Amino acid sequence: EAAVTQSPRSKVAVTGGKVTLSCHQTNNHDYMYWYRQDTGHGLRLIHYSYVADSTEKGDIPDGYKASRPSQENFSLILELASLSQTAVYFCASRGQGGSGNTLYFGEGSRLIVV
Amino acid sequence: QEKVQQSPESLIVPEGAMVSLNCSFSDSASQSIWWYQQHPGKGPKALISIFSNGNKKEGRLTVYLNRASLHVSLHIKDSQPSDSAVYLCAVSNTGNYKYVFGAGTRLKVIA
Repeated sequence: EAAVTQSPRSKVAVTGGKVTLSCHQTNNHDYMYWYRQDTGHGLRLIHYSYVADSTEKGDIPDGYKASRPSQENFSLILELASLSQTAVYFCASRGQGGSGNTLYFGEGSRLIVV
Repeated sequence: QEKVQQSPESLIVPEGAMVSLNCSFSDSASQSIWWYQQHPGKGPKALISIFSNGNKKEGRLTVYLNRASLHVSLHIKDSQPSDSAVYLCAVSNTGNYKYVFGAGTRLKVIA
């Protein structure tokens, strides 16, 4: 099964500080995604990428940047963390061919901004 | 922008019951509809997907899609305590590169 690993799994950040969440996948998938999950809102798309060195804005990109330096790695960057960015963040990659369009998720990164 | 709504918000059933979860979406041109299962502290995991009108059965799961009414439902037969989780409905756009999720239904199956 596709493997997506996220780091850190948990982080406490101070308001105004910089936070980088990292994601690594080992399954040669082209598409990678960053979602945030808040109670009552489900998963909302922040940024996604379909090729290395290129990223696309999702539905809620404000306050976030993304970086895709290689096919395997996709980072989410909060330059100036704010209280409203406290959430659980999930990275996912999308399979093709035999796995269809299944999204494979990591275990999540819990971010608390104080 | 696609909107996905799920009902009910939560559900408690006894072991062995049939569970029915609902999902409504706004764009009739949506490609595929997916159901994901999420256990506490874990990432969502794909369960079943459907593209064409009608139904699809996999093991204890059956999904029904009605594009005319923009509605899809997931039915879990003979529910087990291990089925206790949040169930997320996701709809993909044309090209299947963007997925919009509903807020989820929290299911608890009591032994």
